[in-house]
Amino acid sequence: GQQVMQIPQYQHVQEGEDFTTYCNSSTTLSNIQWYKQRPGGHPVFLIQLVKSGEVKKQKRLTFQFGEAKKNSSLHITATQTTDVGTYFCALLSDRSYQLTFGKGTKLSVIP
Amino acid sequence: SAVISQKPSRDICQRGTSLTIQCQVDSQVTMMFWYRQQPGQSLTLIATANQGSEATYESGFVIDKFPISRPNLTFSTLTVSNMSPEDSSIYLCSVEGGRGSLFFGPGTRLTVL
Repeated sequence: GQQVMQIPQYQHVQEGEDFTTYCNSSTTLSNIQWYKQRPGGHPVFLIQLVKSGEVKKQKRLTFQFGEAKKNSSLHITATQTTDVGTYFCALLSDRSYQLTFGKGTKLSVIP
Repeated sequence: SAVISQKPSRDICQRGTSLTIQCQVDSQVTMMFWYRQQPGQSLTLIATANQGSEATYESGFVIDKFPISRPNLTFSTLTVSNMSPEDSSIYLCSVEGGRGSLFFGPGTRLTVL
């Protein structure tokens, strides 16, 4: 099945700095989803992208889907301590509702 | 959105024993999914549970090790059988959230000694 490579694996930033995590695939993706998992918590759905070149914003979070639909990014502007957690990208397979998750990017924010 | 509860929230078990994890949803759903998250790792789908039919297991997971029940549209159980320390993980049930997204339960943190 399709897989994505997610980078970086870890990111430590000073509070107020920006943060970006990337998901890359060798094949064209029909969609990509992003989830956030707080330490000790469970994954929470953030957004789904389906259109080539799509850009969506949620407050300080900006999600992009590449023009070729082979990559995606999540950018956080001016990180806060509440942004701490692991961010996963995930692909919805052709068999509906079966998600394949990337390895995640663990974000630490230094106050 | 769906509200999902899992029992137990955590457990410490001896090797060779079995543990059954319960997942309860506050609304009727067609498909329920069981995921495993090993320490510090990503999520891996174990199986898809549909009411009234056998669960569909992903590669690397078998029914003898992870039997699943789905007696109705709001409830499912996952049993981790004949446990070994390698089974120490977080086990999460999830349900469809619309447009392909998933809602996850709080997870069951299992430690096998």
